[in-house]
Amino acid sequence: SQKIEQNSEALNIQEGKTATLTCNYTNYSPAYLQWYRQDPGRGPVFLLLIRENEKEKRKERLKVTFDTTLKQSLFHITASQPADSATYLCALANSGYALNFGKGTSLLVTP
Amino acid sequence: GAGVSQSPSNKVTEKGKDVELRCDPISGHTALYWYRQSLGQGLEFLIYFQGNSAPDKSGLPSDRFSAERTGGSVSTLTIQRTQQEDSAVYLCASSLDVAGATYEQYFGPGTRLTVT
Repeated sequence: SQKIEQNSEALNIQEGKTATLTCNYTNYSPAYLQWYRQDPGRGPVFLLLIRENEKEKRKERLKVTFDTTLKQSLFHITASQPADSATYLCALANSGYALNFGKGTSLLVTP
Repeated sequence: GAGVSQSPSNKVTEKGKDVELRCDPISGHTALYWYRQSLGQGLEFLIYFQGNSAPDKSGLPSDRFSAERTGGSVSTLTIQRTQQEDSAVYLCASSLDVAGATYEQYFGPGTRLTVT
């Protein structure tokens, strides 16, 4: 069966450090992968999209890697800040446009 | 500019009643999606509309669920004869979808449905 797995345990890091979140998938051949941020009581907010032929994508303090051989994406936040505390969701689609989401990893950045 | 809006923000209903949830997408976005998020679960795809094409209903969990999109804009998700397991946050998203291109989805704040 198709699965998208993200660390279910919350990730606690100190302000200024780099946070690394993992997304693993099975039985997908995604054309692209997206990362979203979700704050409590709100809808997800798009952060980054990376395509199957791209190895790495950067946006300000964010970096995403995509390894289709390992079937894994890593999401990095450098110089983390308490305002980065949220749940981060990985999403992908085989074809078409409907996304399948992981359950998300909760990140807590402490001062 | 205006984002995706949903109404109501909260809905409490009795088991067996029908409910309608509304979504106003971003103006100009041709694609509209409905998802639901249950406590401790990931977002679950329900249905997708793209322009005038037939909707992708592959995620609807039962025939009690239906959705329509009028005039290529506003969408309504209807749940008939609600059950307690229907309790969840129902999220709507819209995006620019042009053939051969892929765009991010913009989500509304969701409707929290509680079936008692």
